[in-house]
Amino acid sequence: AQSVTQLDSHVSVSEGTPVLLRCNYSSSYSPSLFWYVQHPNKGLQLLLKYTSAATLVKGINGFEAEFKKSETSFHLTKPSAHMSDAAEYFCVVSEYGSSNTGKLIFGQGTTLQVKP
Amino acid sequence: KAGVTQTPRYLIKTRGQQVTLSCSPISGHRSVSWYQQTPGQGLQFLFEYFSETQRNKGNFPGRFSGRQFSNSRSEMNVSTLELGDSALYLCASSPRNPTDTQYFGPGTRLTVL
Repeated sequence: AQSVTQLDSHVSVSEGTPVLLRCNYSSSYSPSLFWYVQHPNKGLQLLLKYTSAATLVKGINGFEAEFKKSETSFHLTKPSAHMSDAAEYFCVVSEYGSSNTGKLIFGQGTTLQVKP
Repeated sequence: KAGVTQTPRYLIKTRGQQVTLSCSPISGHRSVSWYQQTPGQGLQFLFEYFSETQRNKGNFPGRFSGRQFSNSRSEMNVSTLELGDSALYLCASSPRNPTDTQYFGPGTRLTVL
């Protein structure tokens, strides 16, 4: 079964400094991996998606993530944090079933705090 | 294209009642998935529908059910509500497969008193 572990439940950075949100996954095959962001009282917004085309994936709002198969990691980074980046971030892996069934498996989330 | 819409956005019910939540997917999307989000359990998969058929189901009791209509709109129903059913219920749609990118609605916040 696929699983996702987000290594930090809470990350605090100062505005203008780099962001690193860590994610490890477990999958028996080459997975599809996602990062979603959730702002308070909002639904989830897709930041980026990995599907084996390139190991470095660029997303929206300056975020990017690198797929490292040897480390089973898919960490999310951003060079310079902005106050509007404060939100909860979810690392997600897809789990495939038979006959086009499947679902997304979510990590527990990382709350990003950005200090002025 | 309009995004995924969910109605109502907020609901307050009492224990023992039942509730129906509605989800309209992005136009052209035929796969609709439902998730429950709580502080303790995080985001958990409820079920997924495609062409009016439930293709996959998560580990929830039978009180949780759903359906999909021919226009791909979906509803989920929770009967005999319990306090622990208080959660944000999120609907997501994708063109065909739930393992592709899913686009989420804003959610329905259910409070059970």
